[in-house]
Amino acid sequence: QKEVEQNSGPLSVPEGAIASLNCTYSDRGSQSFFWYRQYSGKSPELIMSIYSNGDKEDGRFTAQLNKASQYVSLLIRDSQPSDSATYLCAVYAYSGAGSYQLTFGKGTKLSVIP
Amino acid sequence: KAGVTQTPRYLIKTRGQQVTLSCSPISGHRSVSWYQQTPGQGLQFLFEYFSETQRNKGNFPGRFSGRQFSNSRSEMNVSTLELGDSALYLCASSPRGLAGEGSYNEQFFGPGTRLTVL
Repeated sequence: QKEVEQNSGPLSVPEGAIASLNCTYSDRGSQSFFWYRQYSGKSPELIMSIYSNGDKEDGRFTAQLNKASQYVSLLIRDSQPSDSATYLCAVYAYSGAGSYQLTFGKGTKLSVIP
Repeated sequence: KAGVTQTPRYLIKTRGQQVTLSCSPISGHRSVSWYQQTPGQGLQFLFEYFSETQRNKGNFPGRFSGRQFSNSRSEMNVSTLELGDSALYLCASSPRGLAGEGSYNEQFFGPGTRLTVL
């Protein structure tokens, strides 16, 4: 069973601070990694994808990948109240029997306090 | 470019009935994946269709099935509904989808269908 683990939170940070969200995965063969944001009552929205070790920056968001440690993280700089949401980590890997799938963590709830 | 659309948005059924959900992907996207989201289990992969063929499959029973049409629109069917099938059903659209090793497979979700089984 492929597993993707996230701290469920809630993670509370003050407005303007850096929010750090972490994710670990069990399958060393995992190939692609994604962060989705899900507001309450809405569907997940893709915010970052990362495919190789290192950092990838997009505006206030930075994704970090360390395949040796099987760890992926998301940093949100200058956090805003509008960033308050549940953040889902997703990992793409071979799941057996000829199938590939995207496996999601259960999400970390982030609350940015004004 | 229009996003992913799903119909209906809300559905109430009783145990033992069957239900069909529909998903229209982003124009030009050929892959449609289906997911079930519940508070306890989170987002779980059901299956993926590409060019009218089921290409990848998760660990759900055979009561869950799907199909894809030549215009890439997809339907998901659940037969003999159980109380535990109450969930948000999401479809995700992708240009190439879960295409095997080395593929880039960003997926974009529709708004979902909220299914309640009584």
